[in-house]
Amino acid sequence: GESVGLHLPTLSVQEGDNSIINCAYSNSASDYFIWYKQESGKGPQFIIDIRSNMDKRQGQRVTVLLNKTVKHLSLQIAATQPGDSAVYFCAEKGTARGSYIPTFGRGTSLIVHP
Amino acid sequence: DAGITQSPRHKVTETGTPVTLRCHQTENHRYMYWYRQDPGHGLRLIHYSYGVKDTDKGEVSDGYSVSRSKTEDFLLTLESATSSQTSVYFCAISSGLAGTGELFFGEGSRLTVL
Repeated sequence: GESVGLHLPTLSVQEGDNSIINCAYSNSASDYFIWYKQESGKGPQFIIDIRSNMDKRQGQRVTVLLNKTVKHLSLQIAATQPGDSAVYFCAEKGTARGSYIPTFGRGTSLIVHP
Repeated sequence: DAGITQSPRHKVTETGTPVTLRCHQTENHRYMYWYRQDPGHGLRLIHYSYGVKDTDKGEVSDGYSVSRSKTEDFLLTLESATSSQTSVYFCAISSGLAGTGELFFGEGSRLTVL
């Protein structure tokens, strides 16, 4: 979820478990959402996206769920692996004029224990 | 991987000195962005560009200027660096502004202002 204060929310899981990372967004005009993964010392990398006309989208081992009623986004990672350890950001973006620029959440740190 | 190169990757400078960070892309994408990343704040937009010589301010633009004289290069300048500008700076590019379209990020430039 979104962080409060200086410390990122942290999710610790065991290798092989499923992980769920949550994100609340604020802009009702946002209609495109993206999840990014950022490994230590690297730039964010695209994982999966979803448009507002969908409520679920699946990728390889990842699923994004969108609940527009409560402005909530989640990223589910199946069979979490140590290589999934990273900070995960959600981003919201509009497709209407004035809301084009993506806005990023503060991130969640995922720690996967072998 | 998207062809984005940031330079320098690391820089230590003193308060009051000018600093320029360079972002170079080989993708011929129209849109380029500069973000800063700080603990507890996630990614915050400094400036962005929607074409050669076309730039606009983001949410944390004070103390920064940008220039884009060629499609492939987007420069971020700190005219007189301050300690509050110590951060990791990320450049990003995208092929679309309106509508959907993910951002591709560079590897980051770590700036320390003493």
